[in-house]
Parts: sequence; structure tokens; C-alpha cells
Amino acid sequence: DAGVTQSPTHLIKTRGQQVTLRCSPKSGHDTVSWYQQALGQGPQFIFQYYEEEERQRGNFPDRFSGHQFPNYSSELNVNALLLGDSALYLCASSLNLGIPQYFGPGTRLTVL
Amino acid sequence: AQSVSQHNHHVILSEAASLELGCNYSYGGTVNLFWYVQYPGQHLQLLLKYFSGDPLVKGIKGFEAEFIKSKFSFNLRKPSVQWSDTAEYFCAVNGVGTYKYIFGTGTRLKVLA
Repeated sequence: DAGVTQSPTHLIKTRGQQVTLRCSPKSGHDTVSWYQQALGQGPQFIFQYYEEEERQRGNFPDRFSGHQFPNYSSELNVNALLLGDSALYLCASSLNLGIPQYFGPGTRLTVL
Repeated sequence: AQSVSQHNHHVILSEAASLELGCNYSYGGTVNLFWYVQYPGQHLQLLLKYFSGDPLVKGIKGFEAEFIKSKFSFNLRKPSVQWSDTAEYFCAVNGVGTYKYIFGTGTRLKVLA
């Protein structure tokens, strides 16, 4: 069992660009949550996807959007990147109760 | 405002010492409470959870946490730590019926052999 996988591992973008991050949940898990973790901080909830729908959203602007596919994998898209978007982006998978059980290794995004 | 506070950012203990990591939350409503752990080189994972009932919750590897509603606290404890407990520990809360999880800033625990 590969657990939760995320790609890419690292990414460098410039301000104003757009980025897509990908997540494959643990086998058998149908719910994916995305978190942003700035240096020295705890993970901050972006949104959760279940049955291809956004089930709940945190306090993030509309520049952050997502998608869940029929195989439960998910993408996080961020438009019009700002310097402050530089962070580690974590994906967590779970069953339909939504409790994030297993996290992936994260994607380190640097915005220059 | 909804928040979780972990006042100890770094803790250093010797093996066999007792551990207590503090967690206080601010949330207007009924909550579920969680502790997560990230071992060196590994991913964040769920350590234990409280939904309702007995306020003393037991998790894996001898960890336990006690929910004290009047103090809005959910402290993590272990009677005797081991070197392998070296990790970063995060406390989290979510409102019952919601899917938004609020994490604290984490406590880095180092256990000296």
C-alpha cells in the first residue's frame, strides 16, 4: 500500500503564475483534504472533497480551487500566485467521516 | 475566533521521563479533539481522537489524552517516554458536524537516550 502520494515534491513559480498540485489517497479512502502549512505553523485547512464535491472550505480566497476525480484522486489549483502562497501543501486522505487520518509527504511550493 | 494553542514549542526529556504536552482550544460549540504525530522522515498521522464519552482517551504506543471541558484543554500524556517518541506533535479540533480541522502550531519533542 503506497499510502498517500503527492506530486510534485517541489515546485518553484513566479508571482502571477498558476500551479496544480496532485494527490492520490490511500487505497480504499474516498475523502481528500488539502492543507497549507507555512514554516513554523500548523496545517491550515483549505478544503475537503468527497464524492467529487467540495464538502467544506476554509478561509482561503477563490484563487484556491480543487477537483476530485472518480478514482478519488484530487488536484489543488492556485491562480495568480502571491509570495505569501509559498508553503508546504499537504493532502490528507480518509473515509467518508472526513477525519484526516493519513497525510502525504507534501508539495513544497516556492513563489519568487 | 476558532483556534488551538500549544504553548510548548520545544520539549526535551530523558528516556523514562513522564510527558505532558499542553493543548487549549477556542471554539464556540461542541468539538471533537485530536492529536497527530510526525516522526522524523515520516508523514503526519493520527495518534488519537476524542468524540464523546470517557474524557480519558487512550491511543497507540502508550499515549493518552484527557479532555477537560471546563478548561478547554486536551493535554497529551505518556508515563514514560522512549527515544522513539522523538517527533513533532500537533493538537487539532473540529466542530461536530463540520469537516474543517484547526491545528495548533505543534510541539517538537526530543527524547534523549
